[in-house]
Amino acid sequence: SYVLTQPPSVSVAPGKTARMTCEGDNIGSRSVHWYQQKPGQAPVLVIYYDSDRPSGIPERFSGSNSGNTATLTISRVEAGDEADYHCQVWYTESDPHVVFGGGTKLTVL
Amino acid sequence: EVQLVESGGGLVQPGGSLRLSCVASAFGFSGYSMNWVRQAPGKGLEWVSSISATSSYIYYANSVKGRFTISRDNARNSLYLQMSSLRADDTAVYYCVSDGGSGYTWLDPWGQGTQVTVSS
Repeated sequence: SYVLTQPPSVSVAPGKTARMTCEGDNIGSRSVHWYQQKPGQAPVLVIYYDSDRPSGIPERFSGSNSGNTATLTISRVEAGDEADYHCQVWYTESDPHVVFGGGTKLTVL
Repeated sequence: EVQLVESGGGLVQPGGSLRLSCVASAFGFSGYSMNWVRQAPGKGLEWVSSISATSSYIYYANSVKGRFTISRDNARNSLYLQMSSLRADDTAVYYCVSDGGSGYTWLDPWGQGTQVTVSS
């Protein structure tokens, strides 16, 4: 099986940059996808294939992936960015399955 | 606008069964793998099961293997999850989600979710 580890919480002041990590064994060799989830709502895709943004997602959202760490970066953070962020990969080596990280709660101070 | 609408959730006793449905609209349903993902209260996302576009490939999380069955009807643009031998730890919001690419990729779009509560 494969494990993704995310910090439970990250705090940032408005206008600053938030960085949320997702750690996994050689995760740089996998495609990582990120979701934003606000309370009471379904998750929304914000980054796919490590660093691509779906249409409608602001350019402030970016992603990177190398070695054992993938990172979601939100620049010029706004109050509306406060949410849970989940990373995701597919594990296909054996018994294919989707793996999610535990999620990071982003708090805008 | 692409929509996935789940139904069939509710309150069920431990050991009972429930069948979830998901109907897709404005969406090339038959060309995409589909998934069920759940979220227990206050917890993170947990993948449950996946089914390929033609039902050739089906995968389950170990936590539900042998108890849940995923299926689809492309003529009806519908996805199903038959759940049996339900336990308290199956209590969660269940989301119907499409694979966003050509398989084994990102998950998008998501339905709004349906609540399943297992309790006596």
